Amino acid sequence: DGGITQSPKYLFRKEGQNVTLSCEQNLNHDAMYWYRQDPGQGLRLIYYSQIVNDFQKGDIAEGYSVSREKKESFPLTVTSAQKNPTAFYLCASSTYYAALNTGELFFGEGSRLTVL
Amino acid sequence: SQQGEEDPQALSIQEGENATMNCSYKTSINNLQWYRQNSGRGLVHLILIRSNEREKHSGRLRVTLDTSKKSSSLLITASRAADTASYFCATAYSGGGADGLTFGKGTHLIIQP
Repeated sequence: DGGITQSPKYLFRKEGQNVTLSCEQNLNHDAMYWYRQDPGQGLRLIYYSQIVNDFQKGDIAEGYSVSREKKESFPLTVTSAQKNPTAFYLCASSTYYAALNTGELFFGEGSRLTVL
Repeated sequence: SQQGEEDPQALSIQEGENATMNCSYKTSINNLQWYRQNSGRGLVHLILIRSNEREKHSGRLRVTLDTSKKSSSLLITASRAADTASYFCATAYSGGGADGLTFGKGTHLIIQP
C-alpha cells in the first residue's frame, strides 16, 4: 500500500543533542513537507521541498535542517539550536500539481519528540 | 495572518446527532480544505472546496463556503463514535500552493455513545 512512513514514532532527546526524524514516501509524490504541531495548536510549516536537491524554509525553520537527496526521502534534523523542540512532528507529501495549485496533502503518522 | 480559525474549540454530542463546526479566515483564498486527526495520529484529508464553489458533499460530510463572509462550515450527519477526532480547516491563498497552506487550531469533536 502506498503511504508515508515516519520513524521513530517516539523519540527522547537530551538537551544539546541533534536528532534526525525519518520520512519516507512511496506515493511517487514530488513535494514533501515537515510540520510542527504543539498541543491545541494548528500546524506550522518548518521546511518543504518541491523537487529533489532543492528545499525552502517555512515559517519556523530556525533550529532545523533538512535534505532531499532522493525523491522518496525527506529527513528532518532537529538541532541543539532549536530552543523548544518538544513537539509532534508531521511529514506530508503532495503531487507536483497540488504543490503548486490546490495544496492537498497526505500525512504520515507523526513522530513525537520529547526533550528531557 | 490569514490563518483559519475553527469554532467551537470543542464539541460534544450524542451518537446519531449532527455535528457542525465552522472556520473563518481573513484573506482571499484559492480553496479551503478540511482535515481530520485522530488522537496521536497524522491528518487525513477529508474534502476540498474551491473559492468558486458554495457547497460540496462527500458521504456524510457537507461543506459550505461563503467567500463574502470568509467562512466555511463542516457538517457531519448521523455522527458515529469513530468520528471522534480533531477537525482542522486549512486555507490555500490565491495564487499559492501547498507551501502556503495555513491550518487553524482545530475543533475537538467528541461523540458520546
